[in-house]
Amino acid sequence: GQQLNQSPQSMFIQEGEDVSMNCTSSSIFNTWLWYKQDPGEGPVLLIALYKAGELTSNGRLTAQFGITRKDSFLNISASIPSDVGIYFCAGPSLNAGGTSYGKLTFGQGTILTVHP
Amino acid sequence: EAGVAQSPRYKIIEKRQSVAFWCNPISGHATLYWYQQILGQGPKLLIQFQNNGVVDDSQLPKDRFSAERLKGVDSTLKIQPAKLEDSAVYLCASSLDHRGKSTGELFFGEGSRLTVL
Repeated sequence: GQQLNQSPQSMFIQEGEDVSMNCTSSSIFNTWLWYKQDPGEGPVLLIALYKAGELTSNGRLTAQFGITRKDSFLNISASIPSDVGIYFCAGPSLNAGGTSYGKLTFGQGTILTVHP
Repeated sequence: EAGVAQSPRYKIIEKRQSVAFWCNPISGHATLYWYQQILGQGPKLLIQFQNNGVVDDSQLPKDRFSAERLKGVDSTLKIQPAKLEDSAVYLCASSLDHRGKSTGELFFGEGSRLTVL
C-alpha cells in the first residue's frame, strides 16, 4: 500500500525560530494535506494542496505540493509555544474511479516542541 | 456549530472483553469514518460510511471489529473480543461531501482511548 514518510521525526526549537518539515511518498498523490494534532485531541486540517507545484499559505504556515507529486513540505515561521504538537501529512488513496478523499493515508508524524 | 462527539473518552478493559465506542458526526455530514491511532503512529482508516452504507472496510479486522451507522447519523464501533494490540485511540471523523467528493477536510472528534490489559 501507499506509505508516507515524514522527517524529521521530532524537533526541539526555540520560540521565534522557523521550522521546516517534509513528507515523501513511494507513489503519486493528487492531493496533499497537512494536519496538526494537539495532545488529547483529534487532528485538525491546516493546509490542503490540490495541484502539483502549488504553494499555499495559512498565516505563519506555508506548504508546497512537490512537482513530482511524491513530496510536500510544511514551513512554520516565527514559531510560538502553541505550535507544539504533532504534524501529519496525509494523502487520499487513488482508486479506479478517481481520488477517494476519505481513505487518507497518514505519515507517522513530526513531533514539534517549542521552548519559550 | 457542534463538532464530532465521541464517547467514552477513556476505557480500560481486560483482553477478551468487549467494548463499544459511539460517535455523533457534525450535523449534515454524510460521510463518517473510524480511524485507529496506535501510539507513535498516524491514524489508520478502519471503516468509511456514506450515509448508512459502507464505502470501505478493507482494513477492518472483521473477526473482532464491527461497526454500524443506523439511520445515517451516529455510529458505533465494537471490538469483541479485545486483544492487547487493540490498545489505541479510536478517532471518529466526518466530512461534508459534494457529489461523492470532499475537499479532503475531515473533522475529527477528540477520540476514545482504549487500554487493553
